[in-house]
Amino acid sequence: GESVGLHLPTLSVQEGDNSIINCAYSNSASDYFIWYKQESGKGPQFIIDIRSNMDKRQGQRVTVLLNKTVKHLSLQIAATQPGDSAVYFCAENGMSGGGADGLTFGKGTHLIIQP
Amino acid sequence: DVKVTQSSRYLVKRTGEKVFLECVQDMDHENMFWYRQDPGLGLRLIYFSYDVKMKEKGDIPEGYSVSREKKERFSLILESASTNQTSMYLCASRASTSALIFGPGTRLTVT
Repeated sequence: GESVGLHLPTLSVQEGDNSIINCAYSNSASDYFIWYKQESGKGPQFIIDIRSNMDKRQGQRVTVLLNKTVKHLSLQIAATQPGDSAVYFCAENGMSGGGADGLTFGKGTHLIIQP
Repeated sequence: DVKVTQSSRYLVKRTGEKVFLECVQDMDHENMFWYRQDPGLGLRLIYFSYDVKMKEKGDIPEGYSVSREKKERFSLILESASTNQTSMYLCASRASTSALIFGPGTRLTVT
């Protein structure tokens, strides 16, 4: 079946280094992708999104890359800070294979910042 | 600052009680959603609504109902709470082709 997944459940990086969080998707009809950050005990927070007609989008300290050929999405965080510690998960919007609302969520990657 | 708010951050209820979880958004979004989030299971859609008085079942609607009497408000109702409904409940809203904006969540414990 269709799914959105993450390559690693936990990612540990040194403070100040760049972080790269990956997401694989299998629905080639998906046209919209979103990254969320969720801190412990809080609701998910929108970080950045990208549509399928783009392959890169930049925000403040974050970049999302979309490779439609291999159905791969990544989130890059520059100069990682302690406040970046959270679970990050991707979501895709495709009209087939997702949940009833058309969105499919990954399970999440826990980003841990080492001092 | 646009946002989604939920009536309670923490809630403790007894088995068999009727539970109301309220959600309000101030972004004039047409679409509103209720999810539950459990360790290892990720986000699961319970119910959603595309318009006032409209509701659609999500992936796990059993044991829940919803109400949308006003555009900005979407309520989740547990008719008779059970221990397996202990979870983090997340409300979200979105415009037709935009990202979901989530509320802060309500952590419900049913004893």
